[in-house]
Amino acid sequence: RKEVEQDPGPFNVPEGATVAFNCTYSNSASQSFFWYRQDCRKEPKLLMSVYSSGNEDGRFTAQLNRASQYISLLIRDSKLSDSATYLCVVNSGQAGTALIFGKGTTLSVSS
Amino acid sequence: NAGVTQTPKFRVLKTGQSMTLLCAQDMNHEYMYWYRQDPGMGLRLIHYSVGEGTTAKGEVPDGYNVSRLKKQNFLLGLESAAPSQTSVYFCASRIRTGTYGYTFGSGTRLTVV
Repeated sequence: RKEVEQDPGPFNVPEGATVAFNCTYSNSASQSFFWYRQDCRKEPKLLMSVYSSGNEDGRFTAQLNRASQYISLLIRDSKLSDSATYLCVVNSGQAGTALIFGKGTTLSVSS
Repeated sequence: NAGVTQTPKFRVLKTGQSMTLLCAQDMNHEYMYWYRQDPGMGLRLIHYSVGEGTTAKGEVPDGYNVSRLKKQNFLLGLESAAPSQTSVYFCASRIRTGTYGYTFGSGTRLTVV
């Protein structure tokens, strides 16, 4: 089983739609969880951290289910500018070691 | 505050040539990382460092060497470049404490012909 798995998509949605991405991770010792956004030919940028209680940042909501080792990202009222690849990221559970990246889910928002 | 700076941004090498990629951060971060990103493969860890003078291997270290002589700099070397090392290379750093994510550099696009 891969360490972090995501549906690669692409997800093609109209402006204003609500879209959800899911991610599963294999290491039950992981303690930190993130969603990154990567635009074409650019570096990944931190979108939001994911907390056990769930958290929201404007139109974006992240959820974590530790028992199922499952992370989600919900985007409401999609904008054209949301078109990007979204990377699910977890740490290995060991201090100092690297974050593990999923291969990403591609979102395309059209007018 | 520049964050993480990678040089060069683009490079074309011939097979067998050597080069060094430089990553510099001005955020006093302890941890630094080198990743490569290839189509369909996602980001794969090459080497990382948890502090000045320390380095460790990641998932795909073969063909690369690294050095962290100063806290702010993390160098990635290719001693004898191969076409399989054609990729986009990203450096990242983060602070030691807490559960913060990375700050990435803008990447180096390397082509080996």
